[in-house]
Amino acid sequence: ETGVTQTPRHLVMGMTNKKSLKCEQHLGHNAMYWYKQSAKKPLELMFVYNFKEQTENNSVPSRFSPECPNSSHLFLHLHTLQPEDSALYLCASSQDPLGQRASYEQYFGPGTRLTVT
Amino acid sequence: AQKITQTQPGMFVQEKEAVTLDCTYDTSDPSYGLFWYKQPSSGEMIFLIYQGSYDQQNATEGRYSLNFQKARKSANLVISASQLGDSAMYFCAFFNTNAGKSTFGDGTTLTVKP
Repeated sequence: ETGVTQTPRHLVMGMTNKKSLKCEQHLGHNAMYWYKQSAKKPLELMFVYNFKEQTENNSVPSRFSPECPNSSHLFLHLHTLQPEDSALYLCASSQDPLGQRASYEQYFGPGTRLTVT
Repeated sequence: AQKITQTQPGMFVQEKEAVTLDCTYDTSDPSYGLFWYKQPSSGEMIFLIYQGSYDQQNATEGRYSLNFQKARKSANLVISASQLGDSAMYFCAFFNTNAGKSTFGDGTTLTVKP
């Protein structure tokens, strides 16, 4: 498989559930990202991992917990979410955001459409 | 903090014609980049084109070109010979090369009419 994959593509969960979103990149990149895309807001950066180290937490509530076990995999663990957390969650990867310009480009996965009921 | 603005919520263009999507930004950093992405209804963000602040020439990628006017802080995307498959949401993103992260605009919905 190539590119960036995300599972599941669609998820419906109750506010008391615990679920996880998975992202996998097959591009040999060193940085991975979680973005949230809500209907009436611009794309919001949530977390950045560079060489498996978290380098950005954009004031994300603790009910979202990221995990990056290696450079190819990124998880977003969800618990006790709120209805306003319903959104499209996009994962992306890049070669090295702090490297040379050729490595800036982010490749995105298809997203997980999350609905919190 | 950088600010990125896309003033056109929606645009229409006739098939085979060219269209310009606007993007302006605000920064005091000398080194930065501008990205354009396409997001079809399927949801996946597709990289289109990148312009670095020190690039001497405007970036081009096939039918896509970036009209970069540094003094005006604008980085408009020009799509030539529009195709029906170009109908999508288009996002401009400001890339902070020091922090290694992007800030996205609100997006412009482009509809290509047959």
